[in-house]
Amino acid sequence: NAGVTQTPKFQVLKTGQSMTLQCAQDMNHEYMSWYRQDPGMGLRLIHYSVGAGITDQGEVPNGYNVSRSTTEDFPLRLLSAAPSQTSVYFCASSYLGEVSYGYTFGSGTRLTVV
Amino acid sequence: AQSVTQLGSHVSVSEGALVLLRCNYSSSVPPYLFWYVQYPNQGLQLLLKYTTGATLVKGINGFEAEFKKSETSFHLTKPSAHMSDAAEYFCAVSVPPHLTGGYNKLIFGAGTRLAVHP
Repeated sequence: NAGVTQTPKFQVLKTGQSMTLQCAQDMNHEYMSWYRQDPGMGLRLIHYSVGAGITDQGEVPNGYNVSRSTTEDFPLRLLSAAPSQTSVYFCASSYLGEVSYGYTFGSGTRLTVV
Repeated sequence: AQSVTQLGSHVSVSEGALVLLRCNYSSSVPPYLFWYVQYPNQGLQLLLKYTTGATLVKGINGFEAEFKKSETSFHLTKPSAHMSDAAEYFCAVSVPPHLTGGYNKLIFGAGTRLAVHP
């Protein structure tokens, strides 16, 4: 059971480049989400999805796009990278509507935009 | 509305000393509460959780937390710190599905970084 898998683990981008951060889970979780973690700011929700074909914005969605074509995958796209998007990104998943299980997190992607 | 406050962004203890990380929550309904740990360059791992029942919950690596409704607290403790406990710790409170439109949501505190000195 792999849990939540994120790729790549590290990435350096130039300003203006685009890229996709991959997230896949094998637990049949309906709910998936993306967070960014910055020093002193904890975890901030970027986007989330409650099932295939359904996505919504979190608290810091600007500059990011998501889609959910399957239950397993929830990629995060940076359309035109900016230095302010330098951060550590985490994908998390859970069962829909069952709060007692909490979230399962991926190991993160450390992104640097130069 | 649900919210979480972690008191102290950095806590430093000596090896063998008591670890106490503070978490206070606000919730309009009986909460589910969680502690997650993040070791350097890793993702977040569930340490322990309170849902219902016994208010003192035990987690991995000797950690425990006590749910105190009267104090709206869920502080994390460990009797004797080990060097390997150095990590960042996040407290989280659940938002029930009927308040979110039907999905599971956790609200996280800002985190407390624990340093353990020899």
